[in-house]
Amino acid sequence: QVQLQESGPGLVKPSQTLSLTCTVSGGSISSGGYYWSWVRQFPESGLEWIGYIYYSGSTYYNPSLKSRVTISVDTSKNQFSLKLSSVTAADTAVYYCARDLGYSEIDYWGQGILVTVSS
Amino acid sequence: QSALTQPASVSGSPGQSITISCTGTSSDIGSYNYVSWYQQHPGKAPKLMIYDVTNRPSGVSNRFSGSKSGNTASLTISGLQAEDEADYYCSSHASSSTQVFGGGTKLTVL
Repeated sequence: QVQLQESGPGLVKPSQTLSLTCTVSGGSISSGGYYWSWVRQFPESGLEWIGYIYYSGSTYYNPSLKSRVTISVDTSKNQFSLKLSSVTAADTAVYYCARDLGYSEIDYWGQGILVTVSS
Repeated sequence: QSALTQPASVSGSPGQSITISCTGTSSDIGSYNYVSWYQQHPGKAPKLMIYDVTNRPSGVSNRFSGSKSGNTASLTISGLQAEDEADYYCSSHASSSTQVFGGGTKLTVL
């Protein structure tokens, strides 16, 4: 059973960089066949796809966030990470890491981590 | 890349059937047979209910079914049960290997 767990600061100041890590257990990122994703959910609102990374390092980002997002992978630690720069209050959300089989098919999700942007 | 359009809410009585629509464009739903549907209960992570427009993952009730016509996909839930009350989100593969979600639909079982 694959499990994903997000970690990182729950509070980030405006204009700073949000950094989160997802630790994967029960399966190896480097085994291939999956895309490792970040999705966020605004308070009392819908989901937004942020982007994903393949184990080889290929990345795909939401065009509306592309200039501020970096997703990276560390196969030695079985982790992947999200960095979102120049954050504002509008980036306050629950951030989920997830496993995507490709083509919009997310079969495993982390529990989510609330990140608040505030001074 | 705009969010897919879903009705904000739908409702139905136990035993009835309901359908939730999800409208996109020729750059997403209209071009790919890669539409998924997710169920989300309060405080929980989303759960995959339908993938590739019509397919159900193992363990998902056959009361859930999906379809697509042109730029619009639909999720139908038959034999509504109280436990089906949740938020439902559609998602589609889109151009340049990206992905887009719908705004979500709140299902109320009366």
